[in-house]
Amino acid sequence: GAVVSQHPSRVICKSGTSVKIECRSLDFQATTMFWYRQFPKQSLMLMATSNEGSKATYEQGVEKDKFLINHASLTLSTLTVTSAHPEDSSFYICSGDSPTGNEQFFGPGTRLTVL
Amino acid sequence: LAKTTQPVSMDSYEGQEVNITCSHNNIATNDYITWYQQFPSQGPRFIIQGYKTKVTNEVASLFIPADRKSSTLSLPRVSLSDTAVYYCLVGEGANNAGNMLTFGGGTRLMVKP
Repeated sequence: GAVVSQHPSRVICKSGTSVKIECRSLDFQATTMFWYRQFPKQSLMLMATSNEGSKATYEQGVEKDKFLINHASLTLSTLTVTSAHPEDSSFYICSGDSPTGNEQFFGPGTRLTVL
Repeated sequence: LAKTTQPVSMDSYEGQEVNITCSHNNIATNDYITWYQQFPSQGPRFIIQGYKTKVTNEVASLFIPADRKSSTLSLPRVSLSDTAVYYCLVGEGANNAGNMLTFGGGTRLMVKP
């Protein structure tokens, strides 16, 4: 199956700093990529949908100015958590679907801890 | 998007068959049913997808009755490594491609020795 990678796998930062998370589709081109957030013992919550070359569509309640998403190419999407606070500590997961429309492939996730 | 309802948790023992049922009463004509598996601190992994009747692959079977208002994921002879959270999703289009996935609560399966 297709592979999606995320970098870093885990990051610890101080409150007020910004953190960038990369999501790459390694062996396919993802026209659309999705970003999810998952708190402990909870389900995945969709944050935003991004299409290559256009602005991301954010879910209700997700601050677009805080969670900056860039989908500059068909293989790379980035999520930047700006001015992170402890409540932003979570597991962030991205996914991408192939242009052929076969399956949505998930990355391994990034564990963000804000001190 | 159709809402799904699953049991919060299930326990089983190694070697047993496990059936997890998901309710999706408001499923639309174009909706497919997809199941994902998630281990702790990992991204979800696709297990199986179907539209109606029965689908089987090397990992699981998916049973969908004629009214499609529910579906059952069947895991044959589970092992300890099958301990995970299983999510049932309903979405438009084959493999939900291009369409956002709405995750419900999932079912936390615990397989005991």
